[in-house]
Amino acid sequence: NAGVTQTPKFQVLKTGQSMTLQCAQDMNHEYMSWYRQDPGMGLRLIHYSVGAGITDQGEVPNGYNVSRSTTEDFPLRLLSAAPSQTSVYFCASSSITTEPSYEQYFGPGTRLTVT
Amino acid sequence: AQKITQTQPGMFVQEKEAVTLDCTYDTSDPSYGLFWYKQPSSGEMIFLIYQGSYDQQNATEGRYSLNFQKARKSANLVISASQLGDSAMYFCAMREGLGFGNEKLTFGTGTRLTIIP
Repeated sequence: NAGVTQTPKFQVLKTGQSMTLQCAQDMNHEYMSWYRQDPGMGLRLIHYSVGAGITDQGEVPNGYNVSRSTTEDFPLRLLSAAPSQTSVYFCASSSITTEPSYEQYFGPGTRLTVT
Repeated sequence: AQKITQTQPGMFVQEKEAVTLDCTYDTSDPSYGLFWYKQPSSGEMIFLIYQGSYDQQNATEGRYSLNFQKARKSANLVISASQLGDSAMYFCAMREGLGFGNEKLTFGTGTRLTIIP
């Protein structure tokens, strides 16, 4: 049981390049989400999904796309990288039906630098 | 208005002392959940404790307890008998609504806790 995995761990992009951050979970969780963490700002929600084929925007969605074709995977696409997207990206998942803690499980993070 | 406010950017505490990390929240939803996460220097997010808005008792998990004062909208984390390994960043977070579709978390800006030997 690997939990939530993210690849790559580190990435450097040039402005204008595109890339996909991968996220996978093996806990059969319905809910998956992407956050970005910037210094002094906590974590902010980018996009989320409550099941395969269902995605929605979070607080800071601009410049990012997501899709959810399977329960396990939730990739985050940067369409045209900008220096403002330099951040640490976390993927998280949780079971919608499991109580009582509603705990969200986080991946180890991807540190992205855009030059 | 900020939904989650953590007013202590940094705290220094002597080893073995208890420490309280402050968190206040703002929501008009009667159903909500409050979380605390720990982020050590290695960067991962570690779930510590959860309190639901309808829970009658304060949540406890080992050395962690959540001092939930609903009328004051505060959800402070108390760590008893602090250890050097408790040095980390601590985040308070909230979900508004406990039903399907309300899984989004809003995070505070965090408190960096340093335990002094």
